[in-house]
Amino acid sequence: QVQLVQSGAEVKKPGASVKVSCNASGYTFSNYAVHWVRQAPGQRLEWMGWVNAASGKTKYSEKFQGRVTITRDTSASIAYMELSSLRSEDTAVYYCARWELFEAFDIWGQGTMVTVSS
Amino acid sequence: DIVMTQSPLSLPLTPGEPASITCRSSQSLLHNNGYNYLGWYLQKPGQSPQLLIYFGSYRASGVPDRVSGSGSGTDFTLKISRVEAEDVGIYYCMQALETPLTFGGGTKVEIK
Repeated sequence: QVQLVQSGAEVKKPGASVKVSCNASGYTFSNYAVHWVRQAPGQRLEWMGWVNAASGKTKYSEKFQGRVTITRDTSASIAYMELSSLRSEDTAVYYCARWELFEAFDIWGQGTMVTVSS
Repeated sequence: DIVMTQSPLSLPLTPGEPASITCRSSQSLLHNNGYNYLGWYLQKPGQSPQLLIYFGSYRASGVPDRVSGSGSGTDFTLKISRVEAEDVGIYYCMQALETPLTFGGGTKVEIK
């Protein structure tokens, strides 16, 4: 079935980087964009950016510009989100989600918990 | 950025009762193609969000018809005609008109 499977939980020190993967299956990966959304404890969902899986073109939220890099490997049907210069406020669950033509996220990954702590 | 405001914050209900959640955007979500770029998502406890409604009023695949969305422009409503135990969770609206995509603060639906 159509699914997005993310990599496992990470614990990082402040200033480090984290790279989360999102493995797509059950559909033609290059036909859909993949977005990244995060949810810090007690906070609302927050959009980070997206990648056009076919072209590799990206767009990022200004909030994360310069710290986030979203890439994809079409041969493996995997999207990646790398966040650098981590701080405690980046502690959150990070989700990848597939963007459908009707302008909504129809499939979500299971989430990856990233904890930033010294 | 478009600001999304939801109410109420919490909605305790007994099974069979109707539910109504409102979402207001800081600017119109009506695209010139006639569609409202507003979606509703439900995040059940311990799960990822799941799509309920897109374009303001179109039910996603597998969503029961007791769930409906309405509204246009800046004011939207999600209704559940008769709440069931499986409806428990946090409901979010999200605008898809422009980036950054933005979400409402969520409405927690719980069963009394």
